Amino acid sequence: SQTIHQWPATLVQPVGSPLSLECTVEGTSNPNLYWYRQAAGRGLQLLFYSVGIGQISSEVPQNLSASRPQDRQFILSSKKLLLSDSGFYLCAWSVRLSEQFFGPGTRLTVL
Amino acid sequence: KQEVTQIPAALSVPEGENLVLNCSFTDSAIYNLQWFRQDPGKGLTSLLLIQSSQREQTSGRLNASLDKSSGRSTLYIAASQPGDSATYLCAVPPSYGQNFVFGPGTRLSVLP
Repeated sequence: SQTIHQWPATLVQPVGSPLSLECTVEGTSNPNLYWYRQAAGRGLQLLFYSVGIGQISSEVPQNLSASRPQDRQFILSSKKLLLSDSGFYLCAWSVRLSEQFFGPGTRLTVL
Repeated sequence: KQEVTQIPAALSVPEGENLVLNCSFTDSAIYNLQWFRQDPGKGLTSLLLIQSSQREQTSGRLNASLDKSSGRSTLYIAASQPGDSATYLCAVPPSYGQNFVFGPGTRLSVLP
């Protein structure tokens, strides 16, 4: 069966510090991978998606970047965090445009 | 551009009631529609996926229907329980590109 992992679960970082969030998927090959952000009391915002290794599409211009170094690994990064980067970050996968599955999320607080 | 809305935004019901959550989408050319549940501070859990060729999908006390021509889907929850309290979201794949479009969600509270 397929499993999706995200870490860390919780992160508190100072403004201006770097960020690296990791997501890995097990049990499937060549998935579409997605990074979403959910700000407090707001809906899901798609940040990045990837249809293959090294292929990244950005939906929103921002302080963040994403990379896909391996088929089932998706990384969200920032060189310098802003207060507005605080939120709940969710990784998800799907096989093309079929059912989408989400990870447990990372709660990021930037102070 | 596909847009998804959900009504109501919030709903509070006593335990045992049957209830209906609504999801509307503007572009009827969808491959499927997916319903999710999100508990506070948690990720989204997939509840039901309805393919465009289907009209209904059932899982336990949940039943989801899809009417593509009218751009609507409903999630029916039978005999609601306090454990059903969560936010329910619907989502559709895009007409082009790879990004799914999500509704804003309905926050459900089932009171014991």
